[in-house]
This record gives sequence, C-alpha cells and structure tokens, in this order.
Amino acid sequence: AQSVAQPEDQVNVAEGNPLTVKCTYSVSGNPYLFWYVQYPNRGLQFLLKYITGDNLVKGSYGFEAEFNKSQTSFHLKKPSALVSDSALYFCAVIALSGTYKYIFGTGTRLKVLA
Amino acid sequence: NAGVMQNPRHLVRRRGQEARLRCSPMKGHSHVYWYRQLPEEGLKFMVYLQKENIIDESGMPKERFSAEFPKEGPSILRIQQVVRGDSAAYFCASSLLGLAGANEQFFGPGTRLTVL
Repeated sequence: AQSVAQPEDQVNVAEGNPLTVKCTYSVSGNPYLFWYVQYPNRGLQFLLKYITGDNLVKGSYGFEAEFNKSQTSFHLKKPSALVSDSALYFCAVIALSGTYKYIFGTGTRLKVLA
Repeated sequence: NAGVMQNPRHLVRRRGQEARLRCSPMKGHSHVYWYRQLPEEGLKFMVYLQKENIIDESGMPKERFSAEFPKEGPSILRIQQVVRGDSAAYFCASSLLGLAGANEQFFGPGTRLTVL
C-alpha cells in the first residue's frame, strides 16, 4: 500500500535553532513529494515539492527539503526557526491509485519557542 | 487573483439535516478535490471532479454524500441526514492541471461542520 509517515506528532525547537520535520514514504515507482503548511483555521499552503533532479529542494519562507531515495525520506528543514513558523506541517505524495491523488501524512505540529 | 473560496466557513447542523458546502476554485482551474480533516488527523481524500464530471469518488462514503461541479457555478459537497461523526473540517482544493504532472493544489480555508 502506498503511504506517507510522519513519525513525530509534535516537534519543539527554540527560536534561531535549526529545525527538522521528518517524513518517510512508501510508493511504487518514482515519487512526487510535497510539503504543505497549515496555520490555525486556514487551508493548506504549498511549501515545496520534489519531482526529479537535485535532491535538495528549496521552497517558500526559507524552508528546504532533502530527498533521500535509499532511506525513502523527504525531511523538511530550516536553518534558523522563527516563532512564526509554528504551525501544522503535512508531507504528501502523489500516488497512482485509480487516478493520481495526494496521500497525506498525519501532520506534525511544530512549536517554535521564543 | 482570488484564491480558492469556500462557504460557509462554519456550518452547524442538527442530526438528520442536510449540509451543503460550496467551493469556488481559482480562476482558470478546472480540477477540484474535496478532503475531510478530523481533529488532529491528516487530510483524507474524498472526491476529484472536473467540470461536470466525477473523476474519482473512491474516498467518498457510499451513502449520504454526493458531490458535483457544474458547468457554471461552484462545486458542491452535499451531506444528507448528517450524523455527529460527520463533524469535521472539509477542504476544497483546485489545480490548473491534473496531478499526473505533479502539479500543486491550492486549498481553500475550509468549512468547519459541526453536527449537534
């Protein structure tokens, strides 16, 4: 079965420190991987995606993600966290299941402490 | 350029009533997706529509739920005879092209349905 796992329900990090939000995937074929962010009472906003090419993908708001095929991972990173980065982060993969559709992870709540 | 619009933002219904959720995709987008999000959970795919066609409804409960995307007007997600378990946030997303090209989706702010 095709799936996405976010092993941490919550990640706490001090402002100014680097942050990592983990994501692993299980799909057949080459994956299309995405990160979205959700602020309270808002819809999801696109951060970045990996299709092919360079394993390090840069996205919005200073975020980046590293695709690791051997570990089937796509961890989200930022060198220096801001309090305003506190939100719910979702990893997703496009999988062919009938039609192409998104499969989302369960989300990781990031709290950046001042 | 207005984003994806959903209304109402909050909807309260009593058990047995009908809920109608509306979604206007981004201008020029003809692909619409509906998702349900339960508290502290990820988004679960419900249905994928293009203008006047249901492409994939594999995530939609077989009973009481229906969706449409008419030639004119917004996409509608309809829940008949709501039950407490239908309480959730329902998100609509749109894309310019289908997902085969790894296109990102643009999400609306969601409709939070509460069933009393």
